[in-house]
Amino acid sequence: AQKVTQAQTEISVVEKEDVTLDCVYETRDTTYYLFWYKQPPSGELVFLIRRNSFDEQNEISGRYSWNFQKSTSSFNFTITASQVVDSAVYFCALSNFGNEKLTFGTGTRLTIIP
Amino acid sequence: DTAVSQTPKYLVTQMGNDKSIKCEQNLGHDTMYWYKQDSKKFLKIMFSYNNKELIINETVPNRFSPKSPDKAHLNLHINSLELGDSAVYFCASSDRDRGGYTFGSGTRLTVV
Repeated sequence: AQKVTQAQTEISVVEKEDVTLDCVYETRDTTYYLFWYKQPPSGELVFLIRRNSFDEQNEISGRYSWNFQKSTSSFNFTITASQVVDSAVYFCALSNFGNEKLTFGTGTRLTIIP
Repeated sequence: DTAVSQTPKYLVTQMGNDKSIKCEQNLGHDTMYWYKQDSKKFLKIMFSYNNKELIINETVPNRFSPKSPDKAHLNLHINSLELGDSAVYFCASSDRDRGGYTFGSGTRLTVV
């Protein structure tokens, strides 16, 4: 069975601080995908990134970066120089290569204080 | 153009009624899904269709019946609505080869 754990339920930081959202996953599959989604107060799910299990390179996109470590089954997400618009619930998710069903973590609510 | 569109965005209805939510994607994806997000924000898959064939049915009550007339559409019909069905329902589509996995904007269903 697949499982995704986001231990941080809520995080609050002051604007311009850096913040890291943790994600730990469990799967018996050797090949899989990992995702991050953002859900702002308006409610839609915004795709941020997909990584496959073969690619452990860290990724940077503007103020966002992701650290994938298979040895610890973690896929953490860092926002640098946070902004108020980053306030949202962030979900980490996992799928296998077969049916693409997403197993979501319980989400981390991030609040950026101006 | 919206990639995955769901209608309606909001749906308020009484217990016992039957209702449908429609979903269409214009991304050319082969696989479509329904997910349910409960009041605690927990997201869980309900169904998955690949080229109009049911692939995943995650122990959902049989009051919920998905229908896929073609690979661009996946509708969700719910019979005899109950209070516990109140949630946000998200449609999604994916393309395994190209790596896209896109969600619709959600339908907030409130059963009173």
